[in-house]
Parts: sequence; C-alpha cells; structure tokens
Amino acid sequence: SQQGEEDPQALSIQEGENATMNCSYKTSINNLQWYRQNSGRGLVHLILIRSNEREKHSGRLRVTLDTSKKSSSLLITASRAADTASYFCATANPFFGFQGAQKLVFGQGTRLTINP
Amino acid sequence: NAGVMQNPRHLVRRRGQEARLRCSPMKGHSHVYWYRQLPEEGLKFMVYLQKENIIDESGMPKERFSAEFPKEGPSILRIQQVVRGDSAAYFCASSRNYGYTFGSGTRLTVV
Repeated sequence: SQQGEEDPQALSIQEGENATMNCSYKTSINNLQWYRQNSGRGLVHLILIRSNEREKHSGRLRVTLDTSKKSSSLLITASRAADTASYFCATANPFFGFQGAQKLVFGQGTRLTINP
Repeated sequence: NAGVMQNPRHLVRRRGQEARLRCSPMKGHSHVYWYRQLPEEGLKFMVYLQKENIIDESGMPKERFSAEFPKEGPSILRIQQVVRGDSAAYFCASSRNYGYTFGSGTRLTVV
C-alpha cells in the first residue's frame, strides 16, 4: 500500500499567496523528504526532515513533521509562477547493514499551479 | 561533478523488443537505485544495487525485468519483451551518506 499520501491532489493559487501541502504515512520512518518535479522532468530534492525534528526551514520553504500523527506539511510562502510543479513527499528508511543507503516510498504528489 | 547521468532520455520500443536503460551514478556514490513512475503517479521503488550486487529487488516485477551494476561501467535496467504497460519514466538515483540524487530519467514508450 502507498506509504505517503499527499493532500490535496491538486492546488491552484494566485501568485504571492502561500501554498500548503500535506502528507500522511503509515509506518515509522527514519526521515521524510520533499521533492519537486516539473512536468516531464526529474526530481529535485527540496528538504529533508529527520524523525526527531519537528520543523525545518529552507528559504521560502517550511516543513513540519508530526510523528505522533504520522504527518508532514510543506509550506511555500510568497509563491511564484516558477513554483508551478508537482510536489512529492517520500518517507525514508535505511537498508540495515548498508551504511548510507535508504529506501524511499513516495506519495502520489500534489500538482501545484501558481496563477500569475 | 556531472550528477547522475541517465541515457537515453527517451526510448521508443515496439512490443516484444528489449529495452536497456543506463545509469551512471555520481562520483563517489556506491548505492544505486531504480524507480519507476507511471503517468500521474509517484515513484515506485524497484531495486537497490551496489557494485556487482543486488541488495534489494523487492520492487522488481518477477519476470522480464533485471538490473545489474557491474564492476566497470554503468548500472543497467533491462526489460525484455516489453509490453504497453511498461511505458513509464524510469529514474535512477545514487547516494552516499543517505542523500539521494536523482537522474533526469528515461521515458520509455512502448508502441
């Protein structure tokens, strides 16, 4: 079954507004990561939050993690047209015995459209 | 550092042909992963390899799919006797200390 599930599936807002995307998961995790994917392109790593962290910031991005509720949120402030993309959360757990290796389980993604 | 290099970017195969997808990990990265993305979906884990070893192939279909990461050269994802349902984007990623870097993907179209 799908580990990470994003909500909403699609979001359309005006430029300058804030965009919030949510992700829920089912099992324990080592860390949770957010990625951006422009149409027909590869994935770009945005931010990683570890299971013992509650909030993390990177530029206009703010990520929260609530392990008791098994949920995370990604907030993009002051959105721009260039933020139009699909955003995916991915839960990560290590391959035990293999230092530095981990398995990512992705959600279905949120398609974000920023209207100029 | 050129990042994770995948080729070809686009691949068209007729039903029944073989598809070979190549991936060169980032320099210094010993872990290679393959993921598949069907249209309008998220990525699904297929296989994790180290040099000359398949560590976890729990996401690989039981038939027609195979992967390798030889001592020399790129990792190869091989799909034999392709069917229309194999049409997807296939992404390779590599990591060293848990940080993933994804390639740009190979978009396979089976006609």
